[in-house]
This record gives sequence, structure tokens and C-alpha cells, in this order.
Amino acid sequence: AQSVAQPEDQVNVAEGNPLTVKCTYSVSGNPYLFWYVQYPNRGLQFLLKYITGDNLVKGSYGFEAEFNKSQTSFHLKKPSALVSDSALYFCAVRGGNQFYFGTGTSLTVIP
Amino acid sequence: DTAVSQTPKYLVTQMGNDKSIKCEQNLGHDTMYWYKQDSKKFLKIMFSYNNKELIINETVPNRFSPKSPDKAHLNLHINSLELGDSAVYFCASSQDLVNEQYFGPGTRLTVT
Repeated sequence: AQSVAQPEDQVNVAEGNPLTVKCTYSVSGNPYLFWYVQYPNRGLQFLLKYITGDNLVKGSYGFEAEFNKSQTSFHLKKPSALVSDSALYFCAVRGGNQFYFGTGTSLTVIP
Repeated sequence: DTAVSQTPKYLVTQMGNDKSIKCEQNLGHDTMYWYKQDSKKFLKIMFSYNNKELIINETVPNRFSPKSPDKAHLNLHINSLELGDSAVYFCASSQDLVNEQYFGPGTRLTVT
């Protein structure tokens, strides 16, 4: 079965510290992986994607993600968290003609 | 200009009614989607249209019917609304079935 998992419902990090939001996937064939962010009462916004190429992908607002094929992971990272990064983060994977979204991780950056 | 727009933003209606939500994208994308986000923020894809053809039709009750008059529009019709239909519905579009999606602002549907 094709799926994506975000094992942490909530992540708290102090402002200025590095942050990681975890994502693992299960998909047949080559995965197409995405990260989105959702601010309160807003639609999802695209952050970055991995389709092919370099395993380290850089995206919007200083975020990056590392594709790890052996661990089937695509963790979202940022070297220095901002309070404004506080939001709900979704990992997504495309398998076949379908998209699968994770259950979301709520990130809180503490001033 | 708004890339993906939805109307209305809020929709409050009674059980048993029929309602529609409209979606338009001005990005020139070939693929459009409808998602349902429940109160726990879980996001579930409902439909996907590629070049006006239905590609994905998940296990959604047949009370829900998408209509795509052209590539820029994908409307969602809901018949005989039920309490469990209360959620936020998001429209999205993408260049194709591979690339990232751009989401609309959402329509909060409340069924009383």
C-alpha cells in the first residue's frame, strides 16, 4: 500500500534553533515527494519537492529537505527557526496517479 | 491576482439541501483537485481532473459530483447534505499530475 507518515503530531523548537519535521513514505516506483505549509485559516502553500536529482532539495523561506532512499524518508529542515515558521506542515507523496498526504505536523517556534 | 480562487468562502446550510462550491484557476494548469479537510486537519483527496477528464475518484459518496466546464474551472456539487459533510473544502491545481499543487483559500462548509 502506498502511504506517507508523519510520526510527530507536534514539534516545539526554540527560535534560532534548527528544526526538523519528519516524513517517511511507502510507494512503488520512484517517489515524487512534496512539503506544504498551512497557516491558520489558509490554504496549503508549496514549500519544496523532490522528483529526481540531488538528494538535498532547497525550497521557500529557507527550508530544505533531504531525500533518503534507503530509509524512505524526506525530512524537512531549517537551520534557524523563526517564530513565523509556526504552522502546520504536510508531507505528500505521489504514487501512480494519486497523491497521499500525511496527517500533518504542527510546528511551534517558541520565542 | 489570485491564482486559485474559491467561492463562497463560508457556506452554512441545513441538512438535506443541495449546494455548490466554485473553483477557478488562472495559472493555465491542466490538472485540478478537490480536497476535504476535517476538524482534525486531515486532508483527503476527493477528485482530480486532468484536461477536463476525471482521473481520481476516491471513495466519495455519490452525493458529491465534480463538474469541469473547462480547464480553468472545477466546481463541486453536493446533494442531500449531511452533518458529516461539515469540513473545509480546498480546490487545487497543478501543471500536470507530477508537479506541485497550488491551493485555493478553502470553503468552510457547515451543515446544521
